[in-house]
Amino acid sequence: EDQVTQSPEALRLQEGESSSLNCSYTVSGLRGLFWYRQDPGKGPEFLFTLYSAGEEKEKERLKATLTKKESFLHITAPKPEDSATYLCAVQGGTGGFKTIFGAGTRLFVKA
Amino acid sequence: SQTIHQWPATLVQPVGSPLSLECTVEGTSNPNLYWYRQAAGRGLQLLFYSVGIGQISSEVPQNLSASRPQDRQFILSSKKLLLSDSGFYLCACLKWNRQGSSYEQYFGPGTRLTVT
Repeated sequence: EDQVTQSPEALRLQEGESSSLNCSYTVSGLRGLFWYRQDPGKGPEFLFTLYSAGEEKEKERLKATLTKKESFLHITAPKPEDSATYLCAVQGGTGGFKTIFGAGTRLFVKA
Repeated sequence: SQTIHQWPATLVQPVGSPLSLECTVEGTSNPNLYWYRQAAGRGLQLLFYSVGIGQISSEVPQNLSASRPQDRQFILSSKKLLLSDSGFYLCACLKWNRQGSSYEQYFGPGTRLTVT
């Protein structure tokens, strides 16, 4: 069964303290792995799509990487405005364009 | 760029009443469309997705249904709401980005439904 597990559930950082969020997935024939940012009460905001092991994408302080079993979202020198829930999702297997989401990681960055 | 509209933004409905949530997409044609539900503090649960007009795949065999009467319109319905239907309902579209050669999924602002 296709599955996505994110860890940790919550992460508290000091401003400037770099860290990584993990997304482990089980899907046969990955079509794509997505990362999103979600602020309270709003719809998720698209960040990245990754397709193959070894692929990396960057946007400002965020860098996403992909292996055959997991993806990491690295946050370099975070600021308080990076506080949000970060969601990971996959498409693939027999599901075609069906998208399966993880439960998310709530990130808190303190000034 | 595409824009996703959802309405209403908030809705309070009694148990047993009907439901109709509408999603429309601008700026893209023939998109894959999705309905998700998010319970408080939880991840997104896929309810339905559609790859074209009249084509609906259901992931949740409950009292909800979806329809796609037009290319860029996706409707979520219920004949009789349950308390457990409360949540944050999100519409999304999957778009091919030619520049980045990748699929990107964009979400609407959501509808917060409270069933009382």
